[in-house]
Amino acid sequence: SQTIHQWPATLVQPVGSPLSLECTVEGTSNPNLYWYRQAAGRGLQLLFYSVGIGQISSEVPQNLSASRPQDRQFILSSKKLLLSDSGFYLCACAADTAGQLSTDTQYFGPGTRLTVL
Amino acid sequence: GENVEQHPSTLSVQEGDSAVIKCTYSDSASNYFPWYKQELGKRPQLIIDIRSNVGEKKDQRIAVTLNKTAKHFSLHITETQPEDSAVYFCAASQGSGYSTLTFGKGTMLLVSP
Repeated sequence: SQTIHQWPATLVQPVGSPLSLECTVEGTSNPNLYWYRQAAGRGLQLLFYSVGIGQISSEVPQNLSASRPQDRQFILSSKKLLLSDSGFYLCACAADTAGQLSTDTQYFGPGTRLTVL
Repeated sequence: GENVEQHPSTLSVQEGDSAVIKCTYSDSASNYFPWYKQELGKRPQLIIDIRSNVGEKKDQRIAVTLNKTAKHFSLHITETQPEDSAVYFCAASQGSGYSTLTFGKGTMLLVSP
């Protein structure tokens, strides 16, 4: 089964600073990858998803961007953070247990807790 | 697009009681319905899922039922334990490799000993 890594685990950044969060997946190939944000005490907001290298779909227009430079790497970035960017950022992966073509069952990584001050 | 409503937003039960969380969805093309459990400060964990070709699925104390005609599905937890306390999210998707999940807003379940 796949393993999802995210780093850093926690991050405190000043307003206006850049951001780079990384997600990598092991044990599967050609997965669908997703970035979600969860504000404190709130639900899951889908930010971006990717079905392959260089293919990014944006769900919510904002000051964030995503890239997928490798099959099992998904990066979330910002040039200038806002206070409202604080939250718990979760990467998710959809792939079947044999690591074949993606299915719809999503598994989440451990998350990055971002605080913007 | 799909819209998923989840009720109740909070649910308090005594240990040993049953708990039921209900979700409705709007897109009749949706055919995959997972449930996630999220403990405080942790990632959401998939606990059970159901596809539209079945009406009910059980896994020990957890069961999910689906009514495609009415477009609603429910999570049933029997013999609740304090460790069941968490936020539970339902979701729906069209079940293809390129579809996305639409999540409900979550239910905070509190199980008192």
